Amino acid sequence: DTEVTQTPKHLVMGMTNKKSLKCEQHMGHRAMYWYKQKAKKPPELMFVYSYEKLSINESVPSRFSPECPNSSLLNLHLHALQPEDSALYLCASSQDPTGLADNEQFFGPGTRLTVL
Amino acid sequence: AQKVTQAQTEISVVEKEDVTLDCVYETRDTTYYLFWYKQPPSGELVFLIRRNSFDEQNEISGRYSWNFQKSTSSFNFTITASQVVDSAIYFCALEGYGNKLVFGAGTILRVKS
Repeated sequence: DTEVTQTPKHLVMGMTNKKSLKCEQHMGHRAMYWYKQKAKKPPELMFVYSYEKLSINESVPSRFSPECPNSSLLNLHLHALQPEDSALYLCASSQDPTGLADNEQFFGPGTRLTVL
Repeated sequence: AQKVTQAQTEISVVEKEDVTLDCVYETRDTTYYLFWYKQPPSGELVFLIRRNSFDEQNEISGRYSWNFQKSTSSFNFTITASQVVDSAIYFCALEGYGNKLVFGAGTILRVKS
């Protein structure tokens, strides 16, 4: 199994809602990532988990709360989002959390989020 | 600081033309990796190639080829005999120490039939 899966594919939520995005991989990768991507822009790193511990937080607002319950699963909890948070949210995983050897990041298909 | 520059915002070609996408990078790391990703309209990022900083050999994969030149800090991507299915956004990216992938702004490629 060489894929990263993300659910849901599409999500529409109001500014007062609480929702979660889910990401799963079964490649035995020990690093997992959340990216945010606006239309026609490059992905922007949000969070990195290494060995299930948060290792990088790119100054993301607290209305985004990541969670890594186990080595295969990564969640992104959303609360009180703003319309400008509407974007494609991409999850990725890679084998080596130290960042160098053979560290290709495999990306999931993304969740397209719309905040009303 | 690490930086990737894709100066071509958008390129339009007619099917069967060859097209080269430029990528210039900056890094102080001695060991680093360079990547190309394709993002079709469906949105998924598709991995195309990874090249480490010690391997300057050019690579060819079907209609795709890559030219890595450390002397000019460039990692250019050529599509030969382009097809409509090649229409996508192409991102060049750099990963050095610290497990962070830095993307260029992307080049939108439109291939017309």
